Amino acid sequence: DVKVTQSSRYLVKRTGEKVFLECVQDMDHENMFWYRQDPGLGLRLIYFSYDVKMKEKGDIPEGYSVSREKKERFSLILESASTNQTSMYLCASREGQVYNEQFFGPGTRLTVL
Amino acid sequence: QKEVEQNSGPLSVPEGAIASLNCTYSDRGSQSFFWYRQYSGKSPELIMSIYSNGDKEDGRFTAQLNKASQYVSLLIRDSQPSDSATYLCAVRVSGSARQLTFGSGTQLTVLP
Repeated sequence: DVKVTQSSRYLVKRTGEKVFLECVQDMDHENMFWYRQDPGLGLRLIYFSYDVKMKEKGDIPEGYSVSREKKERFSLILESASTNQTSMYLCASREGQVYNEQFFGPGTRLTVL
Repeated sequence: QKEVEQNSGPLSVPEGAIASLNCTYSDRGSQSFFWYRQYSGKSPELIMSIYSNGDKEDGRFTAQLNKASQYVSLLIRDSQPSDSATYLCAVRVSGSARQLTFGSGTQLTVLP
């Protein structure tokens, strides 16, 4: 059974803190994605990775960085959290081409105070 | 202009009716189109994909694609309360070989 897990369901951080969001998939997928989801704005792509140590910017990469040291793990890093980064963060993975299904993790609700 | 646009709703239909969800896209070179369903508090899950003009049916769901008019729609026949969710349209736009662009979603409520 396909599984994408995220390290936390809920997270509360202070402005200026460094925040790590972890995502792990057990399907040996090449592609992994980080989205944020905000009311009225839908899913917006932050970063994605198509191979270990490879990354590409999505639509809203500012204020974020990523790390993919192992195929199964994709980390999103907020170097200095700000209140406008309060959001739902969703990780996804996909095998091969874009025609294949993307599987999403349960999401992390991040609140930055 | 957003690349992928959906009416945010909410859209309410009575149980047993046909729910019609629409999505328009701006990039004429877009190739692949997907509908994801997201229940409240849950993550999205794929329900339909369509790549060619015309209709594609899967059970109570029908996806319709019209590339000339740049729209894709999802019809849900015999709507059930369990269909109440947000439906996200996703498009592979030209120049984005690896990623999808999502619309903001349409919230559907099926009234018993």
